[in-house]
Amino acid sequence: GQQVMQIPQYQHVQEGEDFTTYCNSSTTLSNIQWYKQRPGGHPVFLIQLVKSGEVKKQKRLTFQFGEAKKNSSLHITATQTTDVGTYFCAGRIFSSGSARQLTFGSGTQLTVLP
Amino acid sequence: EAQVTQNPRYLITVTGKKLTVTCSQNMNHEYMSWYRQDPGLGLRQIYYSMNVEVTDKGDVPEGYKVSRKEKRNFPLILESPSPNQTSLYFCASSSRTGFTYEQYFGPGTRLTVT
Repeated sequence: GQQVMQIPQYQHVQEGEDFTTYCNSSTTLSNIQWYKQRPGGHPVFLIQLVKSGEVKKQKRLTFQFGEAKKNSSLHITATQTTDVGTYFCAGRIFSSGSARQLTFGSGTQLTVLP
Repeated sequence: EAQVTQNPRYLITVTGKKLTVTCSQNMNHEYMSWYRQDPGLGLRQIYYSMNVEVTDKGDVPEGYKVSRKEKRNFPLILESPSPNQTSLYFCASSSRTGFTYEQYFGPGTRLTVT
């Protein structure tokens, strides 16, 4: 079945440092979504990327979708303690045999040290 | 307020005792889904539903049942729970399974099976 690999699993940074998490899919994706889960909370939607090579920004967060639509990244510039949490990518495929299923990566747990 | 609710939030039960976790959304969403979250494995989809009376298996359906008799409700049933079903469960809904719609997650149900 489809797999979405996400690295790193854990990342500790000093406040003010940058952070990047990467997702790679075994198959071409129709789109990819990113979610953030605060400690003890539930995943919250951040953004969706659809087009090949797409780049979107949300303040200090930059999201990229690869040209082949098989990989994506989330980059946070100058991390703050409010960025703490686990970041998940979720890829969606369309195929003749299966319905439109969203497959989540394993997540990157970000710790920001003050 | 637009939301997804789950009940109970916490549940400790014994092996073999049937249980149901309820999920309800007030956003008139067609698509609903159940995930389980385990350390290092991210969110894995159990079952999903495209609409009323339409359900399909996700990645880890064994040991679970679902039903979708009403648009707003999507209960998760464990007929004979086992310790390997100890996990954090999330229900989610979205307005479409198509290109541009985010998933809204419930607060989660932490299940322990002894």
